Amino acid sequence: GENVEQHPSTLSVQEGDSAVIKCTYSDSASNYFPWYKQELGKRPQLIIDIRSNVGEKKDQRIAVTLNKTAKHFSLHITETQPEDSAVYFCAASIGDYKLSFGAGTTVTVRA
Amino acid sequence: SQTIHQWPATLVQPVGSPLSLECTVEGTSNPNLYWYRQAAGRGLQLLFYSVGIGQISSEVPQNLSASRPQDRQFILSSKKLLLSDSGFYLCAWSVQEEKLFFGSGTQLSVL
Repeated sequence: GENVEQHPSTLSVQEGDSAVIKCTYSDSASNYFPWYKQELGKRPQLIIDIRSNVGEKKDQRIAVTLNKTAKHFSLHITETQPEDSAVYFCAASIGDYKLSFGAGTTVTVRA
Repeated sequence: SQTIHQWPATLVQPVGSPLSLECTVEGTSNPNLYWYRQAAGRGLQLLFYSVGIGQISSEVPQNLSASRPQDRQFILSSKKLLLSDSGFYLCAWSVQEEKLFFGSGTQLSVL
């Protein structure tokens, strides 16, 4: 099955700086790559997703890039704010309605 | 709009006792339904998924089971809980695309 690796496991950034989280996947048939944000004690919520026919997608301060050749994708958060502090999960799917998740990155934004 | 209800929010159970967690989805028909488990500080592990009534796929062998008695109802059960069953259990749904929408979760502590 699909194996998704996520780095780093923890990330501390100064408010206003950028944060980058990287994920790699194993199955070249994967075609859907979402990112979820989970605040402490809450449910994971979809923040952005990208399909394999697109190389980059942006939504305000967050963006995702995909490199199909290298089988990796990244989440970029610019101008970080305290409310960006959370655990972020990447995931990948080959289109069989199952998502394989990365282990998560705990992001802390220092004021 | 679609909503997902999951209960209870917290549960403390002794080892060897039974378990029943329930999840219902409103506002959509024939959703794909999922049960995930999240151990403390860990990623999301897919336990079961269902693409229709009575159709259950298990991803991880364990002493848990799932049932889908109605189109929008998904139940996670155990006859005898183990200490290792402790964790945060999340129900989720999706339709057509792979976008997952999670319930609010159940924090299960087995003592």
